[in-house]
Amino acid sequence: AQSVTQLDSHVSVSEGTPVLLRCNYSSSYSPSLFWYVQHPNKGLQLLLKYTSAATLVKGINGFEAEFKKSETSFHLTKPSAHMSDAAEYFCVVSDRITDSWGKLQFGAGTQVVVTP
Amino acid sequence: GAGVSQSPSNKVTEKGKDVELRCDPISGHTALYWYRQSLGQGLEFLIYFQGNSAPDKSGLPSDRFSAERTGGSVSTLTIQRTQQEDSAVYLCASSTGGGADTQYFGPGTRLTVL
Repeated sequence: AQSVTQLDSHVSVSEGTPVLLRCNYSSSYSPSLFWYVQHPNKGLQLLLKYTSAATLVKGINGFEAEFKKSETSFHLTKPSAHMSDAAEYFCVVSDRITDSWGKLQFGAGTQVVVTP
Repeated sequence: GAGVSQSPSNKVTEKGKDVELRCDPISGHTALYWYRQSLGQGLEFLIYFQGNSAPDKSGLPSDRFSAERTGGSVSTLTIQRTQQEDSAVYLCASSTGGGADTQYFGPGTRLTVL
């Protein structure tokens, strides 16, 4: 079975300061991991994904995430927050076994607020 | 190019009525997914179509829910005898294949059951 836990439901950061969104996963097999972002009244957009290549994954808009198997973590970071980063972020896992392959399991989401 | 489109964007219905939600995937994408986003349950997988294979219906919450995909393209999610707990945003996604291929999401249909 696969599952994902986002450790913070809300994160508030000041513009220009680093952002850290924490995610832990559980997976029976080698997982694929994703971060999606959802801006208000907009669809989900892929930020980045890990699929067993490099453990440090770079995504769009300056975001990156590191896959740490020993810690079962896939935390999302950005060195400097921008006002446009205010949104909800979802950590997502997909197991590489036949009956779950492709079915995304979403975390509960982290709401990011950016203050001037 | 055009992304995933869904219609209607909003649907208000009365309890007990049937509703149909439509998804137009990105042209050429063989995999199509339906998810539901609600306050109480977060984002949940509903059903998955891949090419001509039998769909994976393991996420459908009850037999009131069904979906079909015609001609390997457009999909319709049908909810019969709607209940208030069906109120949610229904999201459709498509990808070039299954597995870890990036899923591109549509804007969703917001369903409100009165």
